[in-house]
Amino acid sequence: AQSVSQHNHHVILSEAASLELGCNYSYGGTVNLFWYVQYPGQHLQLLLKYFSGDPLVKGIKGFEAEFIKSKFSFNLRKPSVQWSDTAEYFCAVNGGATNKLIFGTGTLLAVQP
Amino acid sequence: KAGVTQTPRYLIKTRGQQVTLSCSPISGHRSVSWYQQTPGQGLQFLFEYFSETQRNKGNFPGRFSGRQFSNSRSEMNVSTLELGDSALYLCASSESGGRSYEQYFGPGTRLTVT
Repeated sequence: AQSVSQHNHHVILSEAASLELGCNYSYGGTVNLFWYVQYPGQHLQLLLKYFSGDPLVKGIKGFEAEFIKSKFSFNLRKPSVQWSDTAEYFCAVNGGATNKLIFGTGTLLAVQP
Repeated sequence: KAGVTQTPRYLIKTRGQQVTLSCSPISGHRSVSWYQQTPGQGLQFLFEYFSETQRNKGNFPGRFSGRQFSNSRSEMNVSTLELGDSALYLCASSESGGRSYEQYFGPGTRLTVT
C-alpha cells in the first residue's frame, strides 16, 4: 500500500539550530514529492517539490530537501531555523499523472526564541 | 491571481443532516481535489475532479460525494452526517493537463457535527 512516514511528530529547537525532518515513502513507480507547511491559523502552503532532475531541491524561506531514491526518502533541511518557522510540516507523495496526494502524519515544529 | 476560496469557512450541523461545501479554484485551474483533515487521521484524499469528471476517489463511504461545474468550481456533499465527520475540509486546485502539477490549497471549511 502507498504510504508516507514522518518519524518526528514533535520537534523543539532553539533559534539558529539546524533542522532535519525525516520523510520516507512507500510507492511503486515514478513519484513526485512535496513538502507543505501549515503556519498557525493559515492554510497549507507548498515549501518545495521534486518532480525530476537534480535530487537536491531548494524551496522557499531557505528550506531544501534531498530525494534519495535508494532509501525512498525525501528529508527536509534548513541550516538555521527562526522563530517564524514554527509550524506543522507535511511530507506528501503522488505518482505519475495523478493529483492524489498521500500525506504523512505531519511534524509539529516549535522554535524557541 | 486570487487564491483558492472555500465557503463557508465554519459550519455547525447536527447528526443526520447533510451539508454542501463549495470551492472556487484559482482562475485557469481545471483540477479540484478535496481532502479531509482530522487530528486522528491526518490529511486524507477524498476525490479529484477534472473537466467535470471524477478522476480519482479516496477510501470514503458513499455519503461523501462531489461534483464540478463547467467553470471548474466544485462542491462536495456529505449526507447523513456522523460525529466522526467533524473535520477541516480542504480544497486544492491545480492546472493538471494530464500530468501531475503542484496543488494550491484553500483555507478550508471547519465542519463541526453535534
